[in-house]
Amino acid sequence: EADIYQTPRYLVIGTGKKITLECSQTMGHDKMYWYQQDPGMELHLIHYSYGVNSTEKGDLSSESTVSRIRTEHFPLTLESARPSHTSQYLCASSERQSESPLHFGNGTRLTVT
Amino acid sequence: GDSVTQMEGPVTLSEEAFLTINCTYTATGYPSLFWYVQYPGEGLQLLLKATKADDKGSNKGFEATYRKETTSFHLEKGSVQVSDSAVYFCALSDRNQGGKLIFGQGTELSVKP
Repeated sequence: EADIYQTPRYLVIGTGKKITLECSQTMGHDKMYWYQQDPGMELHLIHYSYGVNSTEKGDLSSESTVSRIRTEHFPLTLESARPSHTSQYLCASSERQSESPLHFGNGTRLTVT
Repeated sequence: GDSVTQMEGPVTLSEEAFLTINCTYTATGYPSLFWYVQYPGEGLQLLLKATKADDKGSNKGFEATYRKETTSFHLEKGSVQVSDSAVYFCALSDRNQGGKLIFGQGTELSVKP
């Protein structure tokens, strides 16, 4: 049973549109993450947050932005979508301890035409 | 910086065959090590973990032993099933790197009946 929810599951949108990918978790986790997964399966960390009002850029440069106004909510926004943004986006959360495992949502598959 | 290297896939096995997926890591500190599994169309799930040298993680018939001397965390299963077909990710979390999870590139496993 998923405790971390991502919507929409699939999104096809035209170039130049603004989009927001939603991610919510009900576990009270402090840490949340966004990963981009390319067709070769490799995962790239694009944003993370260690708590409310904390956001950091990840290892892969991304034109997206995130916010963390509430503990349970970590939306990702693209102001102007481009075909190069076509990918799978995975949201995850974890407890504060560094050895705590990540809990993943089922992902949003974004296609920009 | 820290990194994780997995054997390349895809790996194709017959049902009941023995599985090994190699994983080696480099880290400056003493990381925790994880295996995650991603079934088709889903997010990642934690399969097993080990937090210190010589620890053995196990779950659903899968095992992996944290080998500090060889910096390895190979995944093994004695008898695979068709339902084990998925992508497997090795990962580490290092306190010296802020506890972020670093993933290997993933290994796709396909089990044929």
